[in-house]
Amino acid sequence: NAGVTQTPKFQVLKTGQSMTLQCAQDMNHNSMYWYRQDPGMGLRLIYYSASEGTTDKGEVPNGYNVSRLNKREFSLRLESAAPSQTSVYFCASRPGLRSYNEQFFGPGTRLTVL
Amino acid sequence: EDQVTQSPEALRLQEGESSSLNCSYTVSGLRGLFWYRQDPGKGPEFLFTLYSAGEEKEKERLKATLTKKESFLHITAPKPEDSATYLCAVLLPGQNFVFGPGTRLSVLP
Repeated sequence: NAGVTQTPKFQVLKTGQSMTLQCAQDMNHNSMYWYRQDPGMGLRLIYYSASEGTTDKGEVPNGYNVSRLNKREFSLRLESAAPSQTSVYFCASRPGLRSYNEQFFGPGTRLTVL
Repeated sequence: EDQVTQSPEALRLQEGESSSLNCSYTVSGLRGLFWYRQDPGKGPEFLFTLYSAGEEKEKERLKATLTKKESFLHITAPKPEDSATYLCAVLLPGQNFVFGPGTRLSVLP
């Protein structure tokens, strides 16, 4: 099992450009999450999908859109990138919504917006 | 406002020198508290889940405990390979996770 995979690993964008971050999991998990991690601020939830066909906003959704393409894949789109979106982005999956279900994280995408 | 804080921000220990990391939380409803380890350039890796005050869990040199307002991660006789950032997160009733900023642990040989 590859677990949670993310592409690309690194990306540099210019202000105003758009891009999609891809995430896939092969563990048959129902729930998937997108976070951003900034120095000194910990992980902040952008969007999550409790199950296939549903998505919900997290703490910092502005400037982002998501698509739960199928059970395996959950993508994050930046329509018009801004320097404030420079960050490390992590995707995570979780078997379900039980309290004991932990999250499994991908390796991250390091995004720089100039 | 739901909030999770961790202290200290950074900790340097000599190999074998035991210590504790703190995670304090102010949340509207706790469904679980999670500890993760994060190595540089990698995603967080799950360590423990705690649900109720008084609960304890152990794994090798690590022991996590939970009270009504905070959790501790005790590290006994640490080794250099324990060096990492340790994150705690609380699971709220709406399926949101709120993470603390982490504690960077360095264990010197």
